[in-house]
Formats: sequence, C-alpha cells, structure tokens
Amino acid sequence: SQQGEEDPQALSIQEGENATMNCSYKTSINNLQWYRQNSGRGLVHLILIRSNEREKHSGRLRVTLDTSKKSSSLLITASRAADTASYFCATDVPSNYQLIWGAGTKLIIKP
Amino acid sequence: DGGITQSPKYLFRKEGQNVTLSCEQNLNHDAMYWYRQDPGQGLRLIYYSQIVNDFQKGDIAEGYSVSREKKESFPLTVTSAQKNPTAFYLCATSAGLAGNTIYFGEGSWLTVV
Repeated sequence: SQQGEEDPQALSIQEGENATMNCSYKTSINNLQWYRQNSGRGLVHLILIRSNEREKHSGRLRVTLDTSKKSSSLLITASRAADTASYFCATDVPSNYQLIWGAGTKLIIKP
Repeated sequence: DGGITQSPKYLFRKEGQNVTLSCEQNLNHDAMYWYRQDPGQGLRLIYYSQIVNDFQKGDIAEGYSVSREKKESFPLTVTSAQKNPTAFYLCATSAGLAGNTIYFGEGSWLTVV
C-alpha cells in the first residue's frame, strides 16, 4: 500500500541550483523519512522528521513538514552532479509496523 | 565491516524454477525486510521479520517464501508460483519495526529467461 506521492516525478536542473521535491501523504504519521537511491543501488537514509517537528537540516538538505497539509518537502541546496539519484519519502503510520513508500522523484543534475 | 550483504547481485531464472536470494547482516538488528522494486517504481514489501523464527506477509507475498532461522540471515525464495518475478529485490534491516531508520543492502537483480 502506498500513501506517499512525490512531486515532481522527475526533475532536471543545472549544477549549483537548488532542487525541491515534495511528498504528500494521506493519513496521520509518527514520522516521515527521506531516502536516496543511486541507480541500481540500495537506498540510503537521509533524514527523519517527526510529526511534532516543522523543519530539519542536515548539511545541504532541508526538510519541512506540514502536518495540516499532510505534506513534506526536501530541499537540496547548491546541487552537485553526485546528487543525481532518485529520492523517496516514507511515512511511519501509527499502528502499522511498516514504512509506506512513495514512488520517488528522479533528480538529474546537469554539469 | 558492518552492513548488509545480498547475493547474488544478478540472477537468471528459468520458467518454473525456484531461486533463493541471500541476505546476511552483521548490524545486530532485530527486524529484517524484503522489498521488490520494479523499474521507475517505489518499494513494495514482500515479507518482514521482527524476531528469529517469526515473519509476516507484506503487501505482495504471493509467490514468495522466507525463513528466519538465525538473526543474521533472512533468505528469500522466489517460487515458480510468482508469475512475474523479474525485478530488483532489496533486503533491509532496522533496529526495531515501527519508526526506525531502515538500512538497505545493495540489491539483487532477478531476470526470468
């Protein structure tokens, strides 16, 4: 079952620009997580934001959470070629023992 | 060297054949998962296990089987009953089930020939 939907499905920007991708979900959550997947590889955890948090930073990453709109955004500042990957959001839902995954945003950074 | 090891990286299956994907971890995590990923898609949960000798079906368990005889190991068998098995398979672990960060292996590509 999927409740997270990332937007846009694909994003292509120039190196050095900022990249913003969004995740919307349908039900109440305990937390929301963002992961990165390089082509043909496993996923890597980026950041976790809890339902009582509104914003979180990690290096060039900034995540916001708006529980009233049931949405989150991931901002990557000063993008680099190495940021080229797919980005997934995953929600932890109360009384559910599994994360629920979105379909991902494919980010391409052009040199 | 801590982590999750999946093998093989590439596997070819003939029609009607069962194949087993290996997943081993040395992170001492209790929970282990198997996900399926089709091209350009998100992750779908096949099976998960919270403790040794216990596992639960995920969203797409039909045609798959697992075992959890050891904490470190969670092999996935793709049976002949799985009619469309060509996909990328990801094994993952976490310290517990709800709300924890999940750590992934490098994945295994399965192709039906």
